[in-house]
Amino acid sequence: EAQVTQNPRYLITVTGKKLTVTCSQNMNHEYMSWYRQDPGLGLRQIYYSMNVEVTDKGDVPEGYKVSRKEKRNFPLILESPSPNQTSLYFCASSLAGAGIPNTEAFFGQGTRLTVV
Amino acid sequence: DQQVKQNSPSLSVQEGRISILNCDYTNSMFDYFLWYKKYPAEGPTFLISISSIKDKNEDGRFTVFLNKSAKHLSLHIVPSQPGDSAVYFCAASKIGNNDMRFGAGTRLTVKP
Repeated sequence: EAQVTQNPRYLITVTGKKLTVTCSQNMNHEYMSWYRQDPGLGLRQIYYSMNVEVTDKGDVPEGYKVSRKEKRNFPLILESPSPNQTSLYFCASSLAGAGIPNTEAFFGQGTRLTVV
Repeated sequence: DQQVKQNSPSLSVQEGRISILNCDYTNSMFDYFLWYKKYPAEGPTFLISISSIKDKNEDGRFTVFLNKSAKHLSLHIVPSQPGDSAVYFCAASKIGNNDMRFGAGTRLTVKP
């Protein structure tokens, strides 16, 4: 089954304690992205990657890091989490950039992060 | 700076009637637009898209209309069904680009 898998689904952590949210896709997609969803703001892109070792900043990259060492994995790293990073996070993957039919993004089920 | 805006946080319609969800954008460089649907505790799923060379795209009960001069698009669902109850996100991008911008979402409730 084609899917994007995020782990963990729920996480409560304390300010400053480094954490990693993993994302894996089994569709051999080139593109992967991380978004955060906040009330009234919708989904905002944090980082995206067009291929292995190629990453770029999205709309709200501050406080986050990513890496793309393998095509299937795109972990999101919070080196020193703060309460304003409490949010619902989604990983997404797609075969190509926007506009090519049948290559639209697949999203993972989300990771709800709370930083206290 | 929200480049994609969905000004109605919620919409309620009766089963069998038409649902119209609206979306406005400010960046004239956008040339590809998408609608995603999201159920609780799930990730968004792709619904329908339209490129700027068209003004309408239809897929079953779902039709998206694009008015480039007004920088406005809308999603029509006819007839609406209770299973359509979800949050709908409008998104915009440039063709070939992976930098998608989303609206805040509209929660649609379809009442039986």
